[in-house]
Order: sequence, then structure tokens, then C-alpha cells
Amino acid sequence: GAGVSQSPRYKVAKRGQDVALRCDPISGHVSLFWYQQALGQGPEFLTYFQNEAQLDKSGLPSDRFFAERPEGSVSTLKIQRTQQEDSAVYLCASSWGDEQFFGPGTRLTVL
Amino acid sequence: RKEVEQDPGPFNVPEGATVAFNCTYSNSASQSFFWYRQDCRKEPKLLMSVYSSGNEDGRFTAQLNRASQYISLLIRDSKLSDSATYLCVVNRYDDMRFGAGTRLTVKP
Repeated sequence: GAGVSQSPRYKVAKRGQDVALRCDPISGHVSLFWYQQALGQGPEFLTYFQNEAQLDKSGLPSDRFFAERPEGSVSTLKIQRTQQEDSAVYLCASSWGDEQFFGPGTRLTVL
Repeated sequence: RKEVEQDPGPFNVPEGATVAFNCTYSNSASQSFFWYRQDCRKEPKLLMSVYSSGNEDGRFTAQLNRASQYISLLIRDSKLSDSATYLCVVNRYDDMRFGAGTRLTVKP
């Protein structure tokens, strides 16, 4: 496809459930980023991959959050034992050079 | 203190007005700077990069002052379609940090 795609677009989870969010970056983009955006806030950095290597995971809020990009293309963000404070939009971006191209996001609501 | 701070807004201006947004950043090692635009319930999109010499793109002018660690965005002759949230972004080695955004509403 022409842009970054994410799935699902919307996810409702019960507290304690595990969720998996998928990101398909633009083909050929080496760098991939995950952000968390709460209502009324700017995106907050979670983690960054260069190809399959996770170079920075300092933004992951707890060990319940885990991200992978095993073949250097598609990435999955997994959240275990979801909590209400995990409710947010999760944005994926890929880049070639300085500009980041964002996907539409996954809106996660934890009840 | 957040690494990137922006005017909290919201800014409500009439069509045709000139509006300016300010942003400060705390990491002096930041390398590149951007303004992104985010429409309601949409993803952020790059509006323009910001250079020390200042740069202009049509009605939009961006300025960077490295000594003061300050970035600005000026929008002239505001259009209804400029209504959005404007995000200030600083980058250091692919570590992008976003401000909380400034909401602009342009009214007829």
C-alpha cells in the first residue's frame, strides 16, 4: 500500500485482557516507531526499531508492553493484562530520513 | 518539565487573521525540528521542517532560535481549513519528541 497501515483501527478490551496491535510500515522504510497518544496530548514515544533491531524501548511504560519486528517489516505492539490507563490511541510511524509517516492509529479502550 | 513545551491554546481566530505559535525545547543536543499538523481523530502529518535560517511555505513561516531553544510557526491569512492541532517536534538521532499541541480554530 501507499501508506502506513494499522490494525485493528478500534479495539475494546476488558481489563486484564491481552491485546496485539499491528503495524504495516511503508515498504522499504528502515525505521519504525510506536507512540501512545492520550486525549488532548501529543504523541508520546514508546519504542523504535531499525530493521528488526529494537534500538530504544525507553518509552514503554511497563513490562506489560512488548514490541517486536522480527523480519524488519511488520511490527506488533503487545499489551498484556491491560489496565484502564492503557486506553489511548497507539500510533505507528515509519521513516526514510527525517520525515515520519504515521498510520491512522489504533484506538484502544480498556473497560 | 516536558522536553517540548507549546502554547496551550486554544486559539480562536477569524478568517484572514495572522496567528503565531511558540514552542521551547529543553535538550540542546536536538538536531532537527518540525511542525506537524493533526486534524481531529486523524494521524499527524508533516507540515514543514524548521531551519535556523527560517523558512517559508506559502502562508506558513517557521523560525528556529537555537540559542534560545525556541521554535515558532506563523500562519498568515488564516483559512477555515487551517483549523487543526499543531504539534512542535524536535528530533535527536531518530528520537522524536512531540509537544502537546496547540489547537487552532479559524472561524468565518
